[in-house]
Amino acid sequence: RKEVEQDPGPFNVPEGATVAFNCTYSNSASQSFFWYRQDCRKEPKLLMSVYSSGNEDGRFTAQLNRASQYISLLIRDSKLSDSATYLCVVNPNSGNTPLVFGKGTRLSVIA
Amino acid sequence: SAVISQKPSRDICQRGTSLTIQCQVDSQVTMMFWYRQQPGQSLTLIATANQGSEATYESGFVIDKFPISRPNLTFSTLTVSNMSPEDSSIYLCSVPGPITDTQYFGPGTRLTVL
Repeated sequence: RKEVEQDPGPFNVPEGATVAFNCTYSNSASQSFFWYRQDCRKEPKLLMSVYSSGNEDGRFTAQLNRASQYISLLIRDSKLSDSATYLCVVNPNSGNTPLVFGKGTRLSVIA
Repeated sequence: SAVISQKPSRDICQRGTSLTIQCQVDSQVTMMFWYRQQPGQSLTLIATANQGSEATYESGFVIDKFPISRPNLTFSTLTVSNMSPEDSSIYLCSVPGPITDTQYFGPGTRLTVL
């Protein structure tokens, strides 16, 4: 079983749509969770952290379900500029330790 | 946030040769990480570069193939030795971010081995 699993997509949605991505992780002791965004031919960039209480940043909402080992990202009112690959990322330990990445979910927002 | 640069940004190399990738950070950091992202794949950690000691390699990666240097707290190099087409990949360095447990990534080095 892969450590972090995501639906690779692609998700093709029209502008203004709401889209949700899911991710599962295998290590129940994992400490921290994140969504990163990676544009084509660019490095991954932190989008947001994910907390058990949920985390909202503008049009983006991230949720964590520790019991189910499940992470989600919801994007409302999609923009063309949201087109990218969204990486589910887990830190299995606390502190500055290596991150474990999912393969990413590709999103294309279409005019 | 830290500013990270990598050199070269891309290269095309012949099999059997070696390439050294540089990673420079604009502030001192205790740890630097080297990742590989093969086409269509996720990021995979190669090793953790520690200043003043040998790098710590992940399963499947060995020092002879990927020697790493970390001469100071702002700089590291990764060498891809005796390259084969399977080494064609993007190589990224990262450093701890200001938010707990996050990392910032350099722009990456796109390597193609013919």
